[in-house]
Amino acid sequence: QKEVEQDPGPLSVPEGAIVSLNCTYSNSAFQYFMWYRQYSRKGPELLMYTYSSGNKEDGRFTAQVDKSSKYISLFIRDSQPSDSATYLCAMSGSRGGSNYKLTFGKGTLLTVNP
Amino acid sequence: GAGVSQSPRYKVAKRGQDVALRCDPISGHVSLFWYQQALGQGPEFLTYFQNEAQLDKSGLPSDRFFAERPEGSVSTLKIQRTQQEDSAVYLCASSHDRGAGYTFGSGTRLTVV
Repeated sequence: QKEVEQDPGPLSVPEGAIVSLNCTYSNSAFQYFMWYRQYSRKGPELLMYTYSSGNKEDGRFTAQVDKSSKYISLFIRDSQPSDSATYLCAMSGSRGGSNYKLTFGKGTLLTVNP
Repeated sequence: GAGVSQSPRYKVAKRGQDVALRCDPISGHVSLFWYQQALGQGPEFLTYFQNEAQLDKSGLPSDRFFAERPEGSVSTLKIQRTQQEDSAVYLCASSHDRGAGYTFGSGTRLTVV
């Protein structure tokens, strides 16, 4: 079993839909949780960064972390065709330790159809 | 520059050939990372530098992989005697501290034939 599991999709939604992406993990040492967006033939771009459990909102994006269930989610409201990309979850351990080393999920390929 | 720059963007190598991949991080970023991304997979950690010091090389898959950052800015990832399983995108990232808010480059796509 991999440390981070993510359904690779693909996921196809109409423009304006609410998109839900999620990851599960097994390592209870993870404290920092991130979502990256990766367009084709580009590097990952940091979207959201959260510490421990809770919610964080930034524009149309909301990240949720539930450490008790080892489950993280990213919600995209009013999805746009420009949101079409691969979404990668990533996580790292506690500060003072190897918090610099990210463990990624496989990524979910999202297509938003106009 | 404004972002992390990697060169070449694409590299085709014959099996057994040595390759060198370059990374130019964001100016002033002390932390530099290399990741390997196989097709359809998420990036996997290879190595980490803080300035010129290589503090973690636990992800390097074999002793054919070698990374350096001699002056604490530009870094080179070298792969000796390339094998087909080395085919992947090699991503470089930099950060102003040890935190996980990296900025990634666009990567070098290596194909070993």
